[in-house]
Amino acid sequence: AQKVTQAQTEISVVEKEDVTLDCVYETRDTTYYLFWYKQPPSGELVFLIRRNSFDEQNEISGRYSWNFQKSTSSFNFTITASQVVDSAVYFCALSEARHFNKFYFGSGTKLNVKP
Amino acid sequence: SAVISQKPSRDICQRGTSLTIQCQVDSQVTMMFWYRQQPGQSLTLIATANQGSEATYESGFVIDKFPISRPNLTFSTLTVSNMSPEDSSIYLCSVETASTYEQYFGPGTRLTVT
Repeated sequence: AQKVTQAQTEISVVEKEDVTLDCVYETRDTTYYLFWYKQPPSGELVFLIRRNSFDEQNEISGRYSWNFQKSTSSFNFTITASQVVDSAVYFCALSEARHFNKFYFGSGTKLNVKP
Repeated sequence: SAVISQKPSRDICQRGTSLTIQCQVDSQVTMMFWYRQQPGQSLTLIATANQGSEATYESGFVIDKFPISRPNLTFSTLTVSNMSPEDSSIYLCSVETASTYEQYFGPGTRLTVT
């Protein structure tokens, strides 16, 4: 079974719209970490955030915000007032305490922001 | 954070040949990893590059196909051996720094096998 599911394959929005990227994970560990990475067309992976399983506080960083809900095993990512430069593939990833360095990546969501 | 460089950035290779990809980090890191991203797919961990010992491979990946070296704390190589078109992928080096649990990724090597 997939440990990380990103059901949205591709999303298109118009600039300045808000957009939420969904991430659902599955693990039996009580200690784990969740991540979001951005992969622009250049191909490089850019680290966005890490959240551990004991910290359910939502986080905001500029136009980015993350909603972590253990009750629904979700770690969603919202971009407010999207911009063309936000166009990229976004990956959600999970690592578990028992094998911390192994990342399970979701299939990614391609975000297209149109001017 | 760590600055990671990879060489080559891209290459087109013929079937049956081998390519060695280099990963260089600007600081000493505890862990180094190699990932593969097949076209339109997500990332899959190939192996953990261990300094001074054999790499630890994930299920589905073997040393004969993907030999890895890590001679020191800032450098690693991945060789893709006896290539076939199915090996066409982006290969990414990743590192984990000693101070955080964050993994940083290199720019990737885009490999096309014809």
